[in-house]
Formats: sequence, C-alpha cells, structure tokens
Amino acid sequence: SAVISQKPSRDICQRGTSLTIQCQVDSQVTMMFWYRQQPGQSLTLIATANQGSEATYESGFVIDKFPISRPNLTFSTLTVSNMSPEDSSIYLCSATGGVNTEAFFGQGTRLTVV
Amino acid sequence: AQSVSQHNHHVILSEAASLELGCNYSYGGTVNLFWYVQYPGQHLQLLLKYFSGDPLVKGIKGFEAEFIKSKFSFNLRKPSVQWSDTAEYFCAVNPGGSYIPTFGRGTSLIVHP
Repeated sequence: SAVISQKPSRDICQRGTSLTIQCQVDSQVTMMFWYRQQPGQSLTLIATANQGSEATYESGFVIDKFPISRPNLTFSTLTVSNMSPEDSSIYLCSATGGVNTEAFFGQGTRLTVV
Repeated sequence: AQSVSQHNHHVILSEAASLELGCNYSYGGTVNLFWYVQYPGQHLQLLLKYFSGDPLVKGIKGFEAEFIKSKFSFNLRKPSVQWSDTAEYFCAVNPGGSYIPTFGRGTSLIVHP
C-alpha cells in the first residue's frame, strides 16, 4: 500500500492568481495522477504525471492552465493557473504501483476561488 | 469511449437494512473492477477489488461485490448497513493492462440510526 500526503488541504484564492498543490507518496510508485472532483460528480482525470518529462493531459485540460511536475518517483505538483471561480473544486492526487494494482489517493485539496 | 454507470446517486437507508448499489461498465475486454469509499472528511480508500478468479469478492466492513461478466456489472452489497457506512461510494474500472481507472459518478449513502 501507499500513503499519499497532499497539501494544502484547502485554500481560498483570489481570481487571477495561481495555486500549487503538492503530493508526496511514502513509497515508490509507478504512476501518479491528478483528478478533479466536483460535488455530485465523478472523478475527472486531469493528467498523468510522468517522471522527468511532460505530463500527459486528458481532453479539455492543457499544460498552460494546469502545469504538472514530477521530478522523482514519489513527488508531484499540480498548479492551477490564472484561477477563476469555475476552478473551484476538489483536486486529488492518486498513485498506483502498476497494472493490476489499486489506486491510492491523497485527502484532496478543496479549492475555492473568489 | 469506456464508461461506468452507477444507477443510484443518492440512497437513504435505516440501520440494518440491506444495501445493493449497481455498477455497469461499457468496456468489452478484460477488466479490473473496484469499489472505493470516501467517508466524510476522509480520503478515498479501497473497499474491494476484482482482478480474476471467484466473481464474488469480499471486502472490508462486511461488503461484497459480484462480477457478472455477461451483464457487465459489478454490484456492491451489504446485508445489514450501519450508521458508520454513511459515505460516498465509487465504482471504478480499469481495462486490462491499463493503469488508469475510469470512475462512476458515485453514490451518496446516508444511513439513519
């Protein structure tokens, strides 16, 4: 299993600013992901964080808006840039050990943009 | 595109009632199946999983799920719920060989004492 620490747990930000969310895993994992979870809706995959290279983004998400870093196997950051109220959501970090393993999740970052 | 459908978005039960949450998926090949639970104020955690073998899998806290391949279903069951089962429940599917799960919309379960 893996324990994922994510911070901050919540933040209230002004529109136009940026917030960087950090994700630390307590063991080496194969894959790290970032999700967005809006109330009453499913988890939406933003991107796969690739170690040492550019993240792989899902349709509707772009690097300029959600830059992601993964400098090593156990750490990743997601930045929400030039925020607007529509970015208010819960952002989740996730990791897996590989195929045929379950996913582990951080506690999430509840972001409110005012 | 692969999709996961959870039929019940909000379920309200009294303690000791039986629970069944439906989950259907659209992928036709080999799949890995999961149910995750998110208790209030806590992170998502694994409830149970199916990779292969016995299609009836048992998880934590008395939950079980049955994989019915012909129906593309993986329904979650518990014979007698408790107040502490109040949580959000998510079904997820990985196509065989994929690292990335697709999640259902989630079901909010409220159990009244």
